[in-house]
Amino acid sequence: DAGVTQSPTHLIKTRGQQVTLRCSPKSGHDTVSWYQQALGQGPQFIFQYYEEEERQRGNFPDRFSGHQFPNYSSELNVNALLLGDSALYLCASRKAKFGYTFGSGTRLTVV
Amino acid sequence: KQEVTQIPAALSVPEGENLVLNCSFTDSAIYNLQWFRQDPGKGLTSLLLIQSSQREQTSGRLNASLDKSSGRSTLYIAASQPGDSATYLCAGTGGSQGNLIFGKGTKLSVKP
Repeated sequence: DAGVTQSPTHLIKTRGQQVTLRCSPKSGHDTVSWYQQALGQGPQFIFQYYEEEERQRGNFPDRFSGHQFPNYSSELNVNALLLGDSALYLCASRKAKFGYTFGSGTRLTVV
Repeated sequence: KQEVTQIPAALSVPEGENLVLNCSFTDSAIYNLQWFRQDPGKGLTSLLLIQSSQREQTSGRLNASLDKSSGRSTLYIAASQPGDSATYLCAGTGGSQGNLIFGKGTKLSVKP
């Protein structure tokens, strides 16, 4: 049973560019959340999608946006990249009120 | 605003020791609590989930407990091994649909 799958694994972008990260949830899961993890810090919640709608959002600017598709997969888009956006981006999925399963993450480097 | 503190920030122990990692929440109204393991540069692996009606969970050499009255959780690792070396993160949700709020983690090093 495949867990949460994220792509790409690594990405290098230039300041001002836009990036799209992708996530396929674990089979049977319908809720997808995105987290940003800076080096040496715990993950910070970006937003959560359920039934193709953004249900909750953390303290991130509008440059961060997302989408959930009918097959429950999700995308995270970041516009006008800043150096400070360099981080490990983690996708997590779950079903109903049960625990979260995380993917291996996408390492984004902004130069 | 919920904040999570993990103590200690780092821990180095010899192989075979039993150890306890601590986690505390500023708001004790925690619905679910999860402990995760993270290897350097990798994603998070879920170790234990304590759901709203539970107080404790065990898996192999790991035992996690949650005291909701105080907003504190502990992760007990028995007979530690070098392969246990990693960063351990605790995270809680404020409600059944809530997002996870994480501590900064405890970096564990188990020496052979």
